[in-house]
Amino acid sequence: DTAVSQTPKYLVTQMGNDKSIKCEQNLGHDTMYWYKQDSKKFLKIMFSYNNKELIINETVPNRFSPKSPDKAHLNLHINSLELGDSAVYFCASSLSRTQGEQYFGPGTRLTVT
Amino acid sequence: GDSVTQMEGPVTLSEEAFLTINCTYTATGYPSLFWYVQYPGEGLQLLLKATKADDKGSNKGFEATYRKETTSFHLEKGSVQVSDSAVYFCALSDRGDYKLSFGAGTTVTVRA
Repeated sequence: DTAVSQTPKYLVTQMGNDKSIKCEQNLGHDTMYWYKQDSKKFLKIMFSYNNKELIINETVPNRFSPKSPDKAHLNLHINSLELGDSAVYFCASSLSRTQGEQYFGPGTRLTVT
Repeated sequence: GDSVTQMEGPVTLSEEAFLTINCTYTATGYPSLFWYVQYPGEGLQLLLKATKADDKGSNKGFEATYRKETTSFHLEKGSVQVSDSAVYFCALSDRGDYKLSFGAGTTVTVRA
């Protein structure tokens, strides 16, 4: 069983489009995260939810909107895609908000043309 | 704020060579420290961790010791294999601040 899953794995789209990435974890964890990894492999946290409540919202354009329908799911919606949004997006989860050990999904490679 | 600095790569080694990746950190509190590994085309996996000073984390032949006096958490492996080729990330999580702060990653390539 996959612990943290993301769909789709690859996403190619044009500038200006709106797209969503879905994430699900079956670990029973309370806290979920979205990270962006750029072409140089640098990882930066974008958002974190704890029991469906937003607890981290880093400096991210408001074109990015996370949604957590329940604590096992955290989706990322991106409006008006730009070239600079091209990256690999990782979802992760942890047992609780104070638990540093995180489990990562396989990533979604977004390419904006 | 919290930050992690790790040695720049890429690092290229021959099989059975000794690997060290340096990692130092800055934190306002008393952090937990982690090494994550990312194999090609995959997500990150926790490799090892340490939660207090002088703790040694170990897994798959890799080791790292939490050194508070030098604010370091260097990763070592005595004899690398081709399958160890990956990107290695040092990270910290400060107590009460539930974010993971990552280093820039070090790409390691092991040649047969």
